[in-house]
Amino acid sequence: NAGVTQTPKFQVLKTGQSMTLQCAQDMNHNSMYWYRQDPGMGLRLIYYSASEGTTDKGEVPNGYNVSRLNKREFSLRLESAAPSQTSVYFCASSSGRDTGELFFGEGSRLTVL
Amino acid sequence: QKEVEQNSGPLSVPEGAIASLNCTYSDRGSQSFFWYRQYSGKSPELIMSIYSNGDKEDGRFTAQLNKASQYVSLLIRDSQPSDSATYLCAVSGGYNKLIFGAGTRLAVHP
Repeated sequence: NAGVTQTPKFQVLKTGQSMTLQCAQDMNHNSMYWYRQDPGMGLRLIYYSASEGTTDKGEVPNGYNVSRLNKREFSLRLESAAPSQTSVYFCASSSGRDTGELFFGEGSRLTVL
Repeated sequence: QKEVEQNSGPLSVPEGAIASLNCTYSDRGSQSFFWYRQYSGKSPELIMSIYSNGDKEDGRFTAQLNKASQYVSLLIRDSQPSDSATYLCAVSGGYNKLIFGAGTRLAVHP
């Protein structure tokens, strides 16, 4: 049971470099999300996709782009990484029926030097 | 901007005691409330949801909601060392968009 799979799990970037975080779910969920988690800040929503073909901004979208490639996959791209983007990134999925149950991936720890 | 506030802790309780975790939220129109548990270095997992005023019990866990006071709480009875984790309060913003508090770290000591 893979659930939600994120890659890579760890990444170190230099300021200005770009990278893409990949996320895939095998639960046939409609909705997918990207959150970041920083110490003392909790989880903050970056972008979400309520269904295949749609994406919307969350609380902290600046500096990020997303692509809902198909129903399974939702990627997060940092075009020009900044030290402020050092964080743990979580991808999540849900059935979309507003149950409040998100299934999270294991997280990706990103450090920007 | 909708906000969810929690005391960061740590909340330290002895094994067997009741742990009480609290959360307040700013949007009076919020309808759905959730508690997630996150072990250190792991991802969050849903443990309780509550939608109506009053108490909801599930095993050793009881969620309490008071919409008039904009207050949600989680009680853990007979606390065990395995309950040591960070507990995240979350409020639904629609489409399962959850707004999370910063979390309260609970430490249960033998």
